[in-house]
Amino acid sequence: DTEVTQTPKHLVMGMTNKKSLKCEQHMGHRAMYWYKQKAKKPPELMFVYSYEKLSINESVPSRFSPECPNSSLLNLHLHALQPEDSALYLCASSQDLYRVEQYFGPGTRLTVT
Amino acid sequence: GQQVMQIPQYQHVQEGEDFTTYCNSSTTLSNIQWYKQRPGGHPVFLIQLVKSGEVKKQKRLTFQFGEAKKNSSLHITATQTTDVGTYFCAGESYNTDKLIFGTGTRLQVFP
Repeated sequence: DTEVTQTPKHLVMGMTNKKSLKCEQHMGHRAMYWYKQKAKKPPELMFVYSYEKLSINESVPSRFSPECPNSSLLNLHLHALQPEDSALYLCASSQDLYRVEQYFGPGTRLTVT
Repeated sequence: GQQVMQIPQYQHVQEGEDFTTYCNSSTTLSNIQWYKQRPGGHPVFLIQLVKSGEVKKQKRLTFQFGEAKKNSSLHITATQTTDVGTYFCAGESYNTDKLIFGTGTRLQVFP
């Protein structure tokens, strides 16, 4: 199984809502990532987890809160988002942190109203 | 900070023509990866290059890593409509643990 799954596929939320994005992989990968991608732009790294511990936080605003409950799951909790946070949120995983390919999920298309 | 630029930004070709995208990093890279993202899709890994001057081929695709490990290229021979998408290079530098994506080149192929 070389698949990374993400739910939901689409999400529309108001600026006062709280929601969560979920990501799952069953490849035994030890590194997991959250990226944000705006239209016609490259993916921008947000967070990296390695062995279930937060390894990198790219100075992401606190309204985004990552969580790694176990080695297969990665969540992104959203609270008090702004319209400019509307984007495609991609989850990825890799065998390890360095010099290895990343497997991306299909993404969650988020719209903040 | 580290920057990875790609040219051209867009390329429209007739089916059967060749296509090349160039990737340049502001810092020396430990490795470079290439990904393809179809319209409405997600990035899919194509290949990784690690050695200076390395050249790898996948059918009609040829990937090259520069001698100074600061640039790379992807060449597609005889494009097909299935090659449509955005091609991203992504590099890791020696002093960071993260992959930095290039700006991408969007390829459109007309039949």
